[in-house]
Amino acid sequence: GENVEQHPSTLSVQEGDSAVIKCTYSDSASNYFPWYKQELGKGPQLIIDIRSNVGEKKDQRIAVTLNKTAKHFSLHITETQPEDSAVYFCAARANAGGTSYGKLTFGQGTILTVHP
Amino acid sequence: GAGVSQSPSNKVTEKGKDVELRCDPISGHTALYWYRQSLGQGLEFLIYFQGNSAPDKSGLPSDRFSAERTGGSVSTLTIQRTQQEDSAVYLCASSFGGGKNTEAFFGQGTRLTVV
Repeated sequence: GENVEQHPSTLSVQEGDSAVIKCTYSDSASNYFPWYKQELGKGPQLIIDIRSNVGEKKDQRIAVTLNKTAKHFSLHITETQPEDSAVYFCAARANAGGTSYGKLTFGQGTILTVHP
Repeated sequence: GAGVSQSPSNKVTEKGKDVELRCDPISGHTALYWYRQSLGQGLEFLIYFQGNSAPDKSGLPSDRFSAERTGGSVSTLTIQRTQQEDSAVYLCASSFGGGKNTEAFFGQGTRLTVV
């Protein structure tokens, strides 16, 4: 089945700096890669996702890049703010025909702390 | 409702008792997932339902864990003879079909404490 590795496990930055979180996956059939943000006491919420037919997607201060050849994808947050502090999870999912059809497999999570 | 609803939000139970956790997915969503999250840890996959297909139970940690989804909507996760290591937050998510690249929405979770 799919295996997703996420690094770093913790990340501390100063307000205004950029933050980068990286993930690798094992199943070449995976073609959907969402990123979730989880705040304390809440369920994860989708912040951005990318499909395998594109290499990069941007939404305001958040961007995600995908390298299918190397099987890795990254989350980039620019101009970080204290409210960006949370746990971030990457995930991968295969479409029809994949070995992990339809099932979201998550990375281990990154605790991001943005210091004012 | 507008989102995925889980109940109860908190559950304290004695070791050895059985518990049932409920998930009401978003109306129309055919895919439903259960995950477990221990304190400070990642999301551990438990079970996945997709339409009328046989569920993927590959993540259930032992035969004390089971889940069902009635009528393709509400799901119940049952833990029999609870152990202290079962203490965690149990998260449910749903989406439009596992075969489509669509967003999975999570509930707030049920925090289970086994004492």
